[in-house]
Amino acid sequence: GDSVTQMEGPVTLSEEAFLTINCTYTATGYPSLFWYVQYPGEGLQLLLKATKADDKGSNKGFEATYRKETTSFHLEKGSVQVSDSAVYFCALSDRTNAGKSTFGDGTTLTVKP
Amino acid sequence: EAGVTQSPTHLIKTRGQQATLRCSPISGHTSVYWYQQALGLGLQFLLWYDEGEERNRGNFPPRFSGRQFPNYSSELNVNALELEDSALYLCASSSEGQGTTDTQYFGPGTRLTVL
Repeated sequence: GDSVTQMEGPVTLSEEAFLTINCTYTATGYPSLFWYVQYPGEGLQLLLKATKADDKGSNKGFEATYRKETTSFHLEKGSVQVSDSAVYFCALSDRTNAGKSTFGDGTTLTVKP
Repeated sequence: EAGVTQSPTHLIKTRGQQATLRCSPISGHTSVYWYQQALGLGLQFLLWYDEGEERNRGNFPPRFSGRQFPNYSSELNVNALELEDSALYLCASSSEGQGTTDTQYFGPGTRLTVL
């Protein structure tokens, strides 16, 4: 079945550091890929998505590129801020199992001033 | 624009009882999804409804059921509650009805505790 593997957290960075959160996936079909973010005390919200190979999703300075050859969708940001502290979830949705999103375990990011 | 709303915020039940959780999607959205976020198990897909029909179901026993009403709101019912049903239940909605490429918008969740 489908699965998503995220790098284990928690991740602690200083403000303005470079962020990478690794995400790899296994899917039976051709999935769409998503990054969701959950800020403290809030619900999940979509950060960015990509629906086909080589697509780059971007939002709020975050980027991720759909790499079919390496089955990866790593999240990056060039310069993190304290306000980026949150839990980040990588997810996929596969056309062969429509409507079902499969989530990674989440990576907790803490940014210190 | 109002987001996805869920009620109640918290629900406490005892083993063997039934729980009913409710979700109102964003206005104009026809699809509703339900997920369970249990401690140590991550987010698990439960159900997808679109235009009043159940379109897909996750790997959960039949005592987890639901429905979608003509106004696109949805109800999740959990019968014969077990201790391991204690979790945060998240509802999401989308407008595209495609199920795969859709952006899902999540509600704040209902925390179900089974004693």
